[in-house]
Amino acid sequence: NAGVTQTPKFQVLKTGQSMTLQCAQDMNHNSMYWYRQDPGMGLRLIYYSASEGTTDKGEVPNGYNVSRLNKREFSLRLESAAPSQTSVYFCASSGSSGSYEQYFGPGTRLTVT
Amino acid sequence: KQEVTQIPAALSVPEGENLVLNCSFTDSAIYNLQWFRQDPGKGLTSLLLIQSSQREQTSGRLNASLDKSSGRSTLYIAASQPGDSATYLCAVRINNDMRFGAGTRLTVKP
Repeated sequence: NAGVTQTPKFQVLKTGQSMTLQCAQDMNHNSMYWYRQDPGMGLRLIYYSASEGTTDKGEVPNGYNVSRLNKREFSLRLESAAPSQTSVYFCASSGSSGSYEQYFGPGTRLTVT
Repeated sequence: KQEVTQIPAALSVPEGENLVLNCSFTDSAIYNLQWFRQDPGKGLTSLLLIQSSQREQTSGRLNASLDKSSGRSTLYIAASQPGDSATYLCAVRINNDMRFGAGTRLTVKP
């Protein structure tokens, strides 16, 4: 039981390049989330998916797209990376009833030069 | 807009001390409140979750309380140990939106 896994762990991009961050969970959760964490700030929600086939914008969606590939996988895409997107990205999942307790992946540290 | 504040931003205590971390939020219409621990360079580990209808939750040396009407939660750590050194984050949930505080960085000195 791996919980929430993310790839890659580290990535360096040049401005304008694109990339996709991958996330998978094996807890049979319906809901999945993408956050970014910047120094001195709490985590901010980029996008979430309440169930397979649905996605919704969070607090800071500009510059990102997401795909809920199936119940297990939720990817985050940067189409044209900008230095302002340098951050640590976390994926999380939760059930969609009961406690809604969130479980987090280990994060992806992204640097855009 | 829901805002979550954690005070203090950093705290240093000697080993064995009992301590309280604070979390405040502006909108009391929350579904739940969750406390997390984050070690440097790592992801978040869930410590305690309090539903909006509950007043407190306990796990080992940790006790979290929730006062929705005043928009406050506290995390009490008893008999602190050096291994408790980490950043502690609180987050409140409203529908599918989770709002996080910036965290309290705790250092427990041997």
